[in-house]
Amino acid sequence: AQSVTQPDIHITVSEGASLELRCNYSYGATPYLFWYVQSPGQGLQLLLKYFSGDTLVQGIKGFEAEFKRSQSSFNLRKPSVHWSDAAEYFCAVGVSFQKLVFGTGTRLLVSP
Amino acid sequence: DAGVTQSPTHLIKTRGQQVTLRCSPKSGHDTVSWYQQALGQGPQFIFQYYEEEERQRGNFPDRFSGHQFPNYSSELNVNALLLGDSALYLCASSLVGSYGYTFGSGTRLTVV
Repeated sequence: AQSVTQPDIHITVSEGASLELRCNYSYGATPYLFWYVQSPGQGLQLLLKYFSGDTLVQGIKGFEAEFKRSQSSFNLRKPSVHWSDAAEYFCAVGVSFQKLVFGTGTRLLVSP
Repeated sequence: DAGVTQSPTHLIKTRGQQVTLRCSPKSGHDTVSWYQQALGQGPQFIFQYYEEEERQRGNFPDRFSGHQFPNYSSELNVNALLLGDSALYLCASSLVGSYGYTFGSGTRLTVV
């Protein structure tokens, strides 16, 4: 069965420091992978997606992610975190008929 | 251009009651998917509608049903509400075959 694991429930990063959020997936075929961000009381906003090709993908708000097939990972990175990045981040894998399977999320806290 | 609109934003119901949630998709989109997001969890796929028919369904009981109208808007109905149905219900629209979802801000359902 398809699944997504986000091992970190909470992460605290100082403003200006770099960020890496981990994501591991389980899926038999070539995965479609996504990162979404959710601010309190809001829906989900797409940060970036990987379908094929270059394994390093660029997204909005300065985020990037790297697909590593050998590790079944799709980690999200940002070189310098801003206070406005504090939110919940979800990794997801796309399966049949556009269905998304989400991880449980990582809450990012940004300290001054 | 309006995005996805969901109504109501908040709702409180009593166990055993029935509820209807509504979703208007983004202009130009023809497919509507519904997700349930329990507190502290990632969204879980409920079902997807295209051409007024349920195209795919997740692991949810028959108490959860839906409908899509000719104008592509959609309703999610939940019968015989349980305390465990308390969650944020997210609607996402897209074009058929595309992972280019636009999510609404959700309806927060509380069952007491």
